[in-house]
Amino acid sequence: DQQVKQNSPSLSVQEGRISILNCDYTNSMFDYFLWYKKYPAEGPTFLISISSIKDKNEDGRFTVFLNKSAKHLSLHIVPSQPGDSAVYFCAASGNAGNMLTFGGGTRLMVKP
Amino acid sequence: NAGVTQTPKFRILKIGQSMTLQCTQDMNHNYMYWYRQDPGMGLKLIYYSVGAGITDKGEVPNGYNVSRSTTEDFPLRLELAAPSQTSVYFCASRHRGGTEAFFGQGTRLTVV
Repeated sequence: DQQVKQNSPSLSVQEGRISILNCDYTNSMFDYFLWYKKYPAEGPTFLISISSIKDKNEDGRFTVFLNKSAKHLSLHIVPSQPGDSAVYFCAASGNAGNMLTFGGGTRLMVKP
Repeated sequence: NAGVTQTPKFRILKIGQSMTLQCTQDMNHNYMYWYRQDPGMGLKLIYYSVGAGITDKGEVPNGYNVSRSTTEDFPLRLELAAPSQTSVYFCASRHRGGTEAFFGQGTRLTVV
């Protein structure tokens, strides 16, 4: 049973437009959420995170929104750039803080 | 700082052979993790450790063993390689109380 799901395996967006990547979770004990970005042949790198006590966190072009009642979070990238083309993973951590549970990833392609 | 270093980067094993995937970090992080990523899939947790001498199973531990004799090193052992263990393996580390996990570059393992 997947506790963290990314239902869109891929997303294609035009350069300059908004990219919206979605993530759903089932475990109500999760209280911290992260987004990671992964290029081919490299390890995932941290992008942005949000605590469950917030509903929004911004960092430059990246904004993460959290809807706890719906158990849903999203990553917005505005404006999208070709260098943003990568696989994006959503991850969640519970109050034990020991483990990170990952979603299946969404491949974002930003077309020039 | 080198961060998280994994060796080797690539390896081909024959069925039934054994090997150790090495992982070392120089950030003095308490927590260390081993994940595997199958093609088109997310990262699944194999084993994790919250400190030297302490290890615990993750989501997919069968066929693997770990040890944590020092803070820096967290090797992953495959005793009897099987084709189902063909995957990309990522080691990660995180500071206790921190939220972001730092990943190594990965080891691509093929079992034939």
